[in-house]
Amino acid sequence: DGGITQSPKYLFRKEGQNVTLSCEQNLNHDAMYWYRQDPGQGLRLIYYSQIVNDFQKGDIAEGYSVSREKKESFPLTVTSAQKNPTAFYLCASSIPSGRAWTGELFFGEGSRLTVL
Amino acid sequence: GEDVEQSLFLSVREGDSSVINCTYTDSSSTYLYWYKQEPGAGLQLLTYIFSNMDMKQDQRLTVLLNKKDKHLSLRIADTQTGDSAIYFCAVLGTMNRDDKIIFGKGTRLHILP
Repeated sequence: DGGITQSPKYLFRKEGQNVTLSCEQNLNHDAMYWYRQDPGQGLRLIYYSQIVNDFQKGDIAEGYSVSREKKESFPLTVTSAQKNPTAFYLCASSIPSGRAWTGELFFGEGSRLTVL
Repeated sequence: GEDVEQSLFLSVREGDSSVINCTYTDSSSTYLYWYKQEPGAGLQLLTYIFSNMDMKQDQRLTVLLNKKDKHLSLRIADTQTGDSAIYFCAVLGTMNRDDKIIFGKGTRLHILP
């Protein structure tokens, strides 16, 4: 079955450390997104990528970095510059290549990062 | 910029209907969505409606769109304990692939026995 996989599910980090969250999709989607979710805040867009080797900042990109070397993969690095990284991170994909698009986003199960 | 507003909490008795409301600001919105998020999980698309429709029904779910008032609602008939979740309203401005979906903050639906 096609889907979008995030790992790890839970991650603990000491202050000052960088961590990388993995996101892989086998849906043949062109676009991939990273969102951050905090209680009562809804979803805030961190970075998105419409095509391989290209990505754009979202609303809260500071302290984060991404890469898009393969269509299937869009890893997110939470750097030590991110002041308050404890949150639930959601990866999503959209825009199926060569097929009609209704704007639907497909989400992974999320990664919960806790800074100790 | 585009804004999507919804109330944060709703409590409903099991068996009653739940109505979750949402307002948005962009009158050019093309697609409007309802997503469901269960605890500790990602979001799943429940249903969506195209802007030229007023209503869409899918089993226990009814979506109503009032474009004049920029108001979207989701009605869940015969609410069950499994409906307990956070429900997100979301809108897409245009079908330009550079456009992004804007989410509301989510409504947490609590089911009373």
